[in-house]
Amino acid sequence: GAVVSQHPSWVICKSGTSVKIECRSLDFQATTMFWYRQFPKQSLMLMATSNEGSKATYEQGVEKDKFLINHASLTLSTLTVTSAHPEDSSFYICSAAQGVLSGNTIYFGEGSWLTVV
Amino acid sequence: GQNIDQPTEMTATEGAIVQINCTYQTSGFNGLFWYQQHAGEAPTFLSYNVLDGLEEKGRFSSFLSRSKGYSYLLLKELQMKDSASYLCAAPVTGGGNKLTFGTGTQLKVEL
Repeated sequence: GAVVSQHPSWVICKSGTSVKIECRSLDFQATTMFWYRQFPKQSLMLMATSNEGSKATYEQGVEKDKFLINHASLTLSTLTVTSAHPEDSSFYICSAAQGVLSGNTIYFGEGSWLTVV
Repeated sequence: GQNIDQPTEMTATEGAIVQINCTYQTSGFNGLFWYQQHAGEAPTFLSYNVLDGLEEKGRFSSFLSRSKGYSYLLLKELQMKDSASYLCAAPVTGGGNKLTFGTGTQLKVEL
């Protein structure tokens, strides 16, 4: 079964509103989680690293005030898209790792489709 | 920085063999991943290579040459359900489990 769960799977919101996406690690604690964005027919692009108990680290070109990340517990990270616009419509995926990096220790959430109308 | 290159699209016939190549330039090396991703779904882990050589897992095999900065994914006995995007990814040195993904190769399997 899934070890990283995202919610919601899809969401439609009006332009100018904010949307929150949750990423939960099931059965393990994740001090670090990662948020990716994927536009249609493109690859995953890392947006930010979510650090439990501290500020997120954003990749170059990603607006931290627009994409708010909160990692308040060892099993939950949230991504809030503030003042969403149609160009923010995308597939957002989180990942978390269990243990030392090796083969199958990086788990991806199911992804969340965001459509801004 | 890191740079990962893959062909954008490939087409193959059901039952055939296809090889998807990936070249990479990374600062440091912490292994290379291959993922399969169907449209609208999260990536699914296929393989992780750290050492040179070929690793076989059923119909899927992955090869790595660290000296050449090169890897490939080999899919045998292709099935229609193998039509998907195949992503090559490398961990960012010092980035924990943060991955840099290639552009992905969209594979279409035809009858």
